[in-house]
Amino acid sequence: DGGITQSPKYLFRKEGQNVTLSCEQNLNHDAMYWYRQDPGQGLRLIYYSQIVNDFQKGDIAEGYSVSREKKESFPLTVTSAQKNPTAFYLCASSSTLTDRDGYTFGSGTRLTVV
Amino acid sequence: SQQGEEDPQALSIQEGENATMNCSYKTSINNLQWYRQNSGRGLVHLILIRSNEREKHSGRLRVTLDTSKKSSSLLITASRAADTASYFCATVQISSGSARQLTFGSGTQLTVLP
Repeated sequence: DGGITQSPKYLFRKEGQNVTLSCEQNLNHDAMYWYRQDPGQGLRLIYYSQIVNDFQKGDIAEGYSVSREKKESFPLTVTSAQKNPTAFYLCASSSTLTDRDGYTFGSGTRLTVV
Repeated sequence: SQQGEEDPQALSIQEGENATMNCSYKTSINNLQWYRQNSGRGLVHLILIRSNEREKHSGRLRVTLDTSKKSSSLLITASRAADTASYFCATVQISSGSARQLTFGSGTQLTVLP
């Protein structure tokens, strides 16, 4: 079964801690994306990557960092510099050869600051 | 930045009725996509319509696009309780080139009453 897997499903962070959200896909997609969703809101782009070892900032990159060492993996680190990290985080991937199928999303990670 | 705005924000209908959701956007687009999100889950791609297309069908879904008015509509016919979800439009701007970044609207919450 091809798909995109996010873990963990729920994550709790203490003030001042860095946490890393995992995103893995086996769809052979070149492009991967991280979005943040706040209650009752749409999605806002944090970072995206079109190819291994390359990534670009989205609209709200401050306080976040990413890496793309493997095609299948695009982990997101929420750093202590992100002042309001409580949100629902969604990872997605897409083919760079065709846009016919849109994005494939993971099931999300809900991050809560305690 | 939010590109698309959905209208209405919330819609409640009886099973069997049709549901229509509208989306307006601001800049020229390459294509427009509609996604569905069940509560607390990831998004699922429903349909993509290109800027040179005016109407597209997929099962019970009908999407229209009016580039002169910068607007799109999603019609779900013969709705079912299982259609209850949030629906988002998302656009790929012409200026995004090969990056194909999606910019999402704030969504319409559809409730179908049995």
